[in-house]
Amino acid sequence: GESVGLHLPTLSVQEGDNSIINCAYSNSASDYFIWYKQESGKGPQFIIDIRSNMDKRQGQRVTVLLNKTVKHLSLQIAATQPGDSAVYFCAETFGTASKLTFGTGTRLQVTL
Amino acid sequence: GAGVSQTPSNKVTEKGKYVELRCDPISGHTALYWYRQSLGQGPEFLIYFQGTGAADDSGLPNDRFFAVRPEGSVSTLKIQRTERGDSAVYLCASSHKGLNSPLHFGNGTRLTVT
Repeated sequence: GESVGLHLPTLSVQEGDNSIINCAYSNSASDYFIWYKQESGKGPQFIIDIRSNMDKRQGQRVTVLLNKTVKHLSLQIAATQPGDSAVYFCAETFGTASKLTFGTGTRLQVTL
Repeated sequence: GAGVSQTPSNKVTEKGKYVELRCDPISGHTALYWYRQSLGQGPEFLIYFQGTGAADDSGLPNDRFFAVRPEGSVSTLKIQRTERGDSAVYLCASSHKGLNSPLHFGNGTRLTVT
């Protein structure tokens, strides 16, 4: 299938290392954030979310950090695996807004 | 359980033709969204349904685009007089509660206008 994000920033990590993917969001009023993983030919897959009243949330092998002061979001993946190779998007929304606004995405390449 | 289903997975049409793209959301999800994704970009919002009504259609680019959800489940995105610039992947998503809850996406329909 056709690749998602042919000209996206790329992060290359070795299998077993930790990955950190960063996102600068645009709206200081945003209060809900989501990380999505998108593999080629597929739709975005929900990974983890965080609300603005938190600065850290952990899932299985993933951690999201939120710094509202500098409008920065990061996704940490522990012990990165080949199956983690994909494009990762952060998305934001606020209040009663119905729409998610997606960032530009980062391609994660896991090398063996 | 079954995820969001979109048909067709690929659609090739000639400029000026009319197309319909179908979305079958996760059972029980009241909120349904359409997004459009161009190559190398993140998805862009088109329209949001809560139940049968379009609660926010501010992302529809022009009046050639229209979407319906007559029974509050399946939705159809309709594009009239297609243009080459309409070529993109059209993604549908649904969520249980709507606002501020995770969206679950389908695999999209890749539309190519020749």
